Amino acid sequence: QSALTQPPSASGSPGQSVTISCTGTNSDVGLYNYVSWYQQHPGKAPKLMIYEVTRRPSGVPDRFSATKSGNTASLTVSGLQAEDEGHYFCSSYAGRNSFLFGGGTKLTVL
Amino acid sequence: QVQLQESGPGLVKPSETLSLTCTVSGGSISSYSWTWIRQSAGKGLEWIGRIYPSGSTNYSPSLRNRVTMSIDTSKNQFSLSLTSVTAADTAVYYCARVREGVRGLTSYFDYWGQGTLVTVSS
Repeated sequence: QSALTQPPSASGSPGQSVTISCTGTNSDVGLYNYVSWYQQHPGKAPKLMIYEVTRRPSGVPDRFSATKSGNTASLTVSGLQAEDEGHYFCSSYAGRNSFLFGGGTKLTVL
Repeated sequence: QVQLQESGPGLVKPSETLSLTCTVSGGSISSYSWTWIRQSAGKGLEWIGRIYPSGSTNYSPSLRNRVTMSIDTSKNQFSLSLTSVTAADTAVYYCARVREGVRGLTSYFDYWGQGTLVTVSS
């Protein structure tokens, strides 16, 4: 099993939108609707932002949205704010009771 | 509010066994399954395994030969043991709560501990 593939970096100006991709295979992202996204600030634990492809936990702003098409999932952050800066990790159930994470994307708010 | 707290030695010698415990408060450990995840410096997250309240486990294929997880429902704790460690096992180790999808498949992790750094060095 290989980690899910994410771009190492992404950026946008305040108020803009940015989309982060997460590519897996037809054995993980493409097969299961168990894709989730986590935000991590330096020195902090990851925070759940999206689960089951598109669902937002209570308390997560609706500026965060996500989709999936085939083997690629995407997280979009609209109306970028300074506090959105950090690392974002995707994850997916990968079958046979295993689980995968992406390598992470560093989001910079310019 | 559910809280998780990792504990254990911050320094382990090469070839020895890494042992960590996660203490859960604010809820019963028997109602969910639990997981360990690690993160090497400047790198991504790596799923280590999952333990059910019954004690059943699922482990990452890459670590299966060296990992053991256990659970003590009377203490609201679960534990991780990783044998024959090397420098490559140096990482921040997180414990987290598992949320399930259909048929009990691992869906996501909603509560995380703050993480504990374990360094493997002589």
